[in-house]
Amino acid sequence: KAGVTQTPRYLIKTRGQQVTLSCSPISGHRSVSWYQQTPGQGLQFLFEYFSETQRNKGNFPGRFSGRQFSNSRSEMNVSTLELGDSALYLCASSLGSSSSYNEQFFGPGTRLTVL
Amino acid sequence: TQLLEQSPQFLSIQEGENLTVYCNSSSVFSSLQWYRQEPGEGPVLLVTVVTGGEVKKLKRLTFQFGDARKDSSLHITAAQPGDTGLYLCAVIMTTDSWGKLQFGAGTQVVVTP
Repeated sequence: KAGVTQTPRYLIKTRGQQVTLSCSPISGHRSVSWYQQTPGQGLQFLFEYFSETQRNKGNFPGRFSGRQFSNSRSEMNVSTLELGDSALYLCASSLGSSSSYNEQFFGPGTRLTVL
Repeated sequence: TQLLEQSPQFLSIQEGENLTVYCNSSSVFSSLQWYRQEPGEGPVLLVTVVTGGEVKKLKRLTFQFGDARKDSSLHITAAQPGDTGLYLCAVIMTTDSWGKLQFGAGTQVVVTP
């Protein structure tokens, strides 16, 4: 069974631009979560989507947004990029349930560099 | 202040040596997870501990959950270069039945041949 895939793997942008990252979950998984990983702050939760609805959100500014499609694929968008947005962005998928926590499986991440 | 404090931040050892990394908090948790992240990859779940005092073994890795469920340790016996990676502890924070993972900052382990 294929794992979580993320595209692109590497991305270089300049300040002020916007970027869209994509995540394809494991087949059959309906929940997708996004995390930001930086050397200074570690791994931080951005948001989670289940059945095309945002179910949970971390403490990030409104420049960070996401969406989920009917096939469970998800995208996250960062507008007006800042230098501090340089990070590894990880996507994790799980079966998804409204009544319990399910194990999350992580993709390899997208390395975003903002110049 | 981090909810989960991991120590040490960095550990470099020779192949065959033992090592222990720690994950501490002032909060009580119903469960705690350990992940390993290798360069260029996402974290991979190693174990979930749920009972105070619980000890779980995964080949040469031994995980312990503190009696009070506030801390955990990971011990590696006879480390091998393949054990190199970032070891992260994490807890599940639940809001309205939806859980999200909160991670510690991690311990970077380097095992040299």
